[in-house]
Amino acid sequence: QSALTQPTSVSGSPGQSIAISCTGTSSDVGGYDYVSWYQQHPGKVPKLIIYDVSKRPSGVSNRFSGSKSDNTASLTISGLQAEDEADYYCSSYTSNTTMVFGGGTKVTVL
Amino acid sequence: QVHLQQWGAGLLKPSETLSLTCAVYGGSFSGNYWSWIRQPPGKGLEWIGEINHSGSTNYNPSLKSRVTMSVDTSKNQFSLKLSSVTAADTAVYYCARAGQDNAWGSYRLYWYFDLWGRGTLVTVSS
Repeated sequence: QSALTQPTSVSGSPGQSIAISCTGTSSDVGGYDYVSWYQQHPGKVPKLIIYDVSKRPSGVSNRFSGSKSDNTASLTISGLQAEDEADYYCSSYTSNTTMVFGGGTKVTVL
Repeated sequence: QVHLQQWGAGLLKPSETLSLTCAVYGGSFSGNYWSWIRQPPGKGLEWIGEINHSGSTNYNPSLKSRVTMSVDTSKNQFSLKLSSVTAADTAVYYCARAGQDNAWGSYRLYWYFDLWGRGTLVTVSS
């Protein structure tokens, strides 16, 4: 199975909004509302920040939001803060009853 | 509070079999789906596969020929074996909870990784 496609890096200034795309196919992202997003700081364990395309777990800032259109899901971080500098990964359920991750996006706060 | 504790050999030689175990503490083992995920140094996450409490598995097609997962419900543990390792298998390996059945076990409630172990670095080197 092929990894979902994410941009390698995205940057923004404090207070700005940025968006990270996650492109798959109709057999994964486009076919199911089972897209999730994870934040990983260097040397740390990934943390779930969005599930089922747009839902936030308890305790996750409402500056994080998710959406999906056709075969592309997106994570938006609004009011960018220094602590948001991290790697972000999308994941999706697939028609083969497997899971697949995106290649990851490094977010830099300028 | 539910947490996962994982362990296993950290240094292997090429052609050996990687073996890791993850224990579930403070919560239910049954009715849940348990995954293994790995991350090579400096690279992204890769889903290896999953197993549920009854031993039903789903594997990444690219690793399927070398992967075996098992459960020990008496100990609330699940395990990963990856055979014939090479340097390309060098990675941090994570165990994670990947889903849960509804109360009647008739369908799966979710497909995401909401609980993670701390990770185990496995290095393959001659």
